[in-house]
Amino acid sequence: SQTIHQWPATLVQPVGSPLSLECTVEGTSNPNLYWYRQAAGRGLQLLFYSVGIGQISSEVPQNLSASRPQDRQFILSSKKLLLSDSGFYLCAWTNGQGVFYGYTFGSGTRLTVV
Amino acid sequence: GDSVTQMEGPVTLSEEAFLTINCTYTATGYPSLFWYVQYPGEGLQLLLKATKADDKGSNKGFEATYRKETTSFHLEKGSVQVSDSAVYFCALRGNNRLAFGKGNQVVVIP
Repeated sequence: SQTIHQWPATLVQPVGSPLSLECTVEGTSNPNLYWYRQAAGRGLQLLFYSVGIGQISSEVPQNLSASRPQDRQFILSSKKLLLSDSGFYLCAWTNGQGVFYGYTFGSGTRLTVV
Repeated sequence: GDSVTQMEGPVTLSEEAFLTINCTYTATGYPSLFWYVQYPGEGLQLLLKATKADDKGSNKGFEATYRKETTSFHLEKGSVQVSDSAVYFCALRGNNRLAFGKGNQVVVIP
């Protein structure tokens, strides 16, 4: 069966520090991968998505970046965090081809920038 | 572009009350529609979905019908429980991505 892992679960980082959040999927190949952010009191915002290794689409301009070094690995990074980067970050995947089974989300990372 | 609109504000109701959360969408073509639920401190879980007009998605007593004529996908449950307290998100799938509404906090009081 397919599973999605996201870590860490919680993170407290000072302003100006770097960030690296990792997401991996098991039990499938060539998934579409997504990073969403949920800020306090706001809805879900799509940050990045990827349909293949090295293919990243950015939805909003910001100081975050994403990379997909392997087929089932998706990384969210920042060189210097801002206070406004605080939020709940969710990784998700869906099958890239064939019958559409739906989106599956990871358990999320709660990031607090102080 | 594709977008989803949910009714404003949290929803507070008593146990066994009827729940409705409105959702309307704007999209080209005929997107798939979803309801996701987020329990406190957790990620999102798929609650139900519908892939074409007049489809009814259902799960755990919740239902939603894909209405093309009104571009709506309202969520309903006939008798809510305290355990249904969560945030509910309406979403549509278009262009390889999900677009979400802002979500509605539902609080069920015993």
